Amino acid sequence: DQQVKQNSPSLSVQEGRISILNCDYTNSMFDYFLWYKKYPAEGPTFLISISSIKDKNEDGRFTVFLNKSAKHLSLHIVPSQPGDSAVYFCAASSNAGNMLTFGGGTRLMVKP
Amino acid sequence: DVKVTQSSRYLVKRTGEKVFLECVQDMDHENMFWYRQDPGLGLRLIYFSYDVKMKEKGDIPEGYSVSREKKERFSLILESASTNQTSMYLCASSFRGLAKKDEQFFGPGTRLTVL
Repeated sequence: DQQVKQNSPSLSVQEGRISILNCDYTNSMFDYFLWYKKYPAEGPTFLISISSIKDKNEDGRFTVFLNKSAKHLSLHIVPSQPGDSAVYFCAASSNAGNMLTFGGGTRLMVKP
Repeated sequence: DVKVTQSSRYLVKRTGEKVFLECVQDMDHENMFWYRQDPGLGLRLIYFSYDVKMKEKGDIPEGYSVSREKKERFSLILESASTNQTSMYLCASSFRGLAKKDEQFFGPGTRLTVL
């Protein structure tokens, strides 16, 4: 049973518009959430994170929102650029250790 | 810059062969991880090591073993490769401290095909 789910396998957005990627989790012990970005033939790279004591974290064009009651987080990219086209993975961890549980990924395509 | 390197980018093996995948990191990280990535399933943890000679099973350890004889090196071993182990294998490392404790740094991956 997947504890972290990304229900949209793919998303297509026009350049300059907002991209919203969603992630749901079931384990209430998760207290730290991360987004990774992966280009083909490369390993994932860390993008942005959020602790459960916050509901929003912003870094340039990237903002992550956390709704603990709904066990839902989202990544907003504004404005979207063609170079943002990649697979995005949501990940979560608990205080119990340093292991991450990953979602299945969402492939974002930003059209020029 | 953190660097995690993996011994091969592409590997083709036959069913029943013993396969070694090597991973080296240069940032003195305590933690090292092996994942496999399959479409729609994301990254699934195979094994994890938090120190030399220490290992912990992840979500899908069956058919795999690991070795960590030196801090910078973590090896994944497929004792007898099977076709269902065809996948992308990703190695990662991280600090064990509290600051950004969960940020993992990944290698480029090894695409393994078992025929």
